[in-house]
Amino acid sequence: GAVVSQHPSWVICKSGTSVKIECRSLDFQATTMFWYRQFPKQSLMLMATSNEGSKATYEQGVEKDKFLINHASLTLSTLTVTSAHPEDSSFYICSAKPSGRGTYEQYFGPGTRLTVT
Amino acid sequence: SQQGEEDPQALSIQEGENATMNCSYKTSINNLQWYRQNSGRGLVHLILIRSNEREKHSGRLRVTLDTSKKSSSLLITASRAADTASYFCAKGGGNKLTFGTGTQLKVEL
Repeated sequence: GAVVSQHPSWVICKSGTSVKIECRSLDFQATTMFWYRQFPKQSLMLMATSNEGSKATYEQGVEKDKFLINHASLTLSTLTVTSAHPEDSSFYICSAKPSGRGTYEQYFGPGTRLTVT
Repeated sequence: SQQGEEDPQALSIQEGENATMNCSYKTSINNLQWYRQNSGRGLVHLILIRSNEREKHSGRLRVTLDTSKKSSSLLITASRAADTASYFCAKGGGNKLTFGTGTQLKVEL
């Protein structure tokens, strides 16, 4: 149990276009999901916390108008990179926190590699 | 900002040897977690140690926590080639996890 999927697993897009990444909790409900980005050989940096039915909370330095997050249901959060540029190329990973459980558990998706040309 | 610094940044050992990775952090924690990441993949949760615990075991993994020194270590015993991956510590507090810089472990045959 506790499986999180991401779609797509990789995407290549042209500069100026928008890309949507989906994060789904497959066998549990998640009131809270998190979005991270990771540059090659670096650590994960938290971008935002996504709460079902409310606005996402963005970390300092993350442009909320560029990285749109929607958490419309208890099993799905989406991250849209708007007007993508080559510097947005990165590995994006989501995690989901099961509803109603202790605060410590988070389950990670397999990640989405975005390449902007 | 990252709260955890890990060392070494990279570690190369022979199969069968033990691997030790260290993590230091700056502020207080509720818990500290260790994750593994294979190249280009998501994270796999390895072990969680609470702030009131000093040592925890899981299979070939042993984690220690010293809150007075704000540090933790992960020991992998009898390493295998399949243990080759990046290992991250993550400070847990409230909802968020704050990841360390990671250690890239390579286990050679």
